[in-house]
Amino acid sequence: NAGVTQTPKFRVLKTGQSMTLLCAQDMNHEYMYWYRQDPGMGLRLIHYSVGEGTTAKGEVPDGYNVSRLKKQNFLLGLESAAPSQTSVYFCASSYFRGGETQYFGPGTRLLVL
Amino acid sequence: DQQVKQNSPSLSVQEGRISILNCDYTNSMFDYFLWYKKYPAEGPTFLISISSIKDKNEDGRFTVFLNKSAKHLSLHIVPSQPGDSAVYFCAASALDGGATNKLIFGTGTLLAVQP
Repeated sequence: NAGVTQTPKFRVLKTGQSMTLLCAQDMNHEYMYWYRQDPGMGLRLIHYSVGEGTTAKGEVPDGYNVSRLKKQNFLLGLESAAPSQTSVYFCASSYFRGGETQYFGPGTRLLVL
Repeated sequence: DQQVKQNSPSLSVQEGRISILNCDYTNSMFDYFLWYKKYPAEGPTFLISISSIKDKNEDGRFTVFLNKSAKHLSLHIVPSQPGDSAVYFCAASALDGGATNKLIFGTGTLLAVQP
């Protein structure tokens, strides 16, 4: 039982490049989330999904897109990376309803030059 | 506007003593509160939670207190151990039209437990 895994662990991008961050969970959770963590800002919700095939915007969605084609996977895409997207990205998952306890992955550190 | 505030960026405590981490919130609709612990280069891990219908929840060395009238919660760690050194995030949850329980996080407090 691996829990929540994230790929890659670290990536350097040039401004304007695109990339996809992959999150996978093996706990059969309905809900999945993408957060970013910046110094002095805590964790902020980017997008989330309440089930396969569904996505919704969080607090800071601009510049990101997501897809949930399979229940166990949640992808975060950056179509044209900007230096302001330099951050640590965390994926999390939880059970359907009453899933206040979210389980987090180890994070992806992204540097945009 | 920060709905969940952790006003102390850092806290240093001697091993064996009590650590008290504080958190304030502004949204009276929050109905569930959680504390997460985060080590460097790892994801946050759930520590303890409390429902708004309670004022205290205890789990081993960790106790969370909720004061709804003051919109304040605190995490007590007794006794503190060097392995408790980490960043602690306070988080609050409110139902969003029944769709999901989105968490709002504070900015974190770095706890250093000195041997």
